[in-house]
Amino acid sequence: AQTVTQSQPEMSVQEAETVTLSCTYDTSESNYYLFWYKQPPSRQMILVIRQEAYKQQNATENRFSVNFQKAAKSFSLKISDSQLGDTAMYFCAFMKWQGGSQGNLIFGKGTKLSVKP
Amino acid sequence: GAGVSQTPSNKVTEKGKYVELRCDPISGHTALYWYRQSLGQGPEFLIYFQGTGAADDSGLPNDRFFAVRPEGSVSTLKIQRTERGDSAVYLCASSLTRDSNEQFFGPGTRLTVL
Repeated sequence: AQTVTQSQPEMSVQEAETVTLSCTYDTSESNYYLFWYKQPPSRQMILVIRQEAYKQQNATENRFSVNFQKAAKSFSLKISDSQLGDTAMYFCAFMKWQGGSQGNLIFGKGTKLSVKP
Repeated sequence: GAGVSQTPSNKVTEKGKYVELRCDPISGHTALYWYRQSLGQGPEFLIYFQGTGAADDSGLPNDRFFAVRPEGSVSTLKIQRTERGDSAVYLCASSLTRDSNEQFFGPGTRLTVL
């Protein structure tokens, strides 16, 4: 079975600074995807960034980037130039990929990020 | 275009009652997922539909939980004889096809069982 661990329940960062959220996972699967989702108080899960396990290059999306260490099963999220609107819960998630089709998402417990002015 | 919608937004019920939660996926999306998010936790998988059929219901906690998707679009999650432990946010997500890797989430239904 797959597990996802987020060891930081809460973090805070000053506006315009950089913050890194940690995530580790455990799996015996060879094909999978990793995701970071943002959940603001509105409850709507929003995809921030995704990483295909077979790709060595780290994914980036504007101010968001990941550090994917496959051997260590680590998948951290770096937010640069933090903005007040980044305040939210952030969830790391794993998806098995088998036979060209997706499995369900397996989530960590989340990290509550507060961006302070 | 419209995203995933869920109704009601909030539902308060009494222990032992029956509830139905509705999910309208993005038009044309064939894959649909239900997740349950308890307070302070990440979402947990309940059931996955591909078209009209439940392809994986391994996450349903017990036989009080049931879900349908009769026409391959709207889905209803049904909970019988509700218990206080069923209180949670129920999230629905849809994907274009089973080989898409992005799931689009609705805003969820917050269920409170008194």
